[in-house]
Amino acid sequence: KAGVTQTPRYLIKTRGQQVTLSCSPISGHRSVSWYQQTPGQGLQFLFEYFSETQRNKGNFPGRFSGRQFSNSRSEMNVSTLELGDSALYLCASSVDQRTDTQYFGPGTRLTVL
Amino acid sequence: DAKTTQPPSMDCAEGRAANLPCNHSTISGNEYVYWYRQIHSQGPQYIIHGLKNNETNEMASLIITEDRKSSTLILPHATLRDTAVYYCIVRAFFSNTGNQFYFGTGTSLTVIP
Repeated sequence: KAGVTQTPRYLIKTRGQQVTLSCSPISGHRSVSWYQQTPGQGLQFLFEYFSETQRNKGNFPGRFSGRQFSNSRSEMNVSTLELGDSALYLCASSVDQRTDTQYFGPGTRLTVL
Repeated sequence: DAKTTQPPSMDCAEGRAANLPCNHSTISGNEYVYWYRQIHSQGPQYIIHGLKNNETNEMASLIITEDRKSSTLILPHATLRDTAVYYCIVRAFFSNTGNQFYFGTGTSLTVIP
């Protein structure tokens, strides 16, 4: 079974731009979570989607948003990029809301110049 | 969710068992202990989880003390490829809280040739 896939793997943007990252969960998984990882803050939870509904949101500004499609694929969007948004963005999927074991993708490395 | 305490770094000789401790003294009865590891700049990899009984899989063993206030992840025969940051996570199992993991700072394990 294929793992979680994320596209693109690397991205370079400039301040003020916006970016959309994509995540395809493991087949049959309906829950998708997003995390931001930076050297200073470590791994921080962004939000979680289940059945196209956002169930949890971390402590991030409204510039960070996401959505989930009927096929469980998810996208996250960051608008008005700031230098501090440079990070590894990780997506994780799990079977459903009763199964906590999350399986992570390889991440998207975003660099904001 | 209860917080965890792990040593920041450990070394282990190649071929020897690596024993990674985790303290979770405030764990509640319905909280699971999860272990993930992250090799540099890759997505975290699920290793094992448990509630109260010791668990073993093809990657590792998880030993949970009887009072559940601490646990130990055991890699039976460490190889150089086991060099990574290991995260111990305590997670409540409620269907309505979603899949938000608090990763903490983890233990950086270095396997020495």
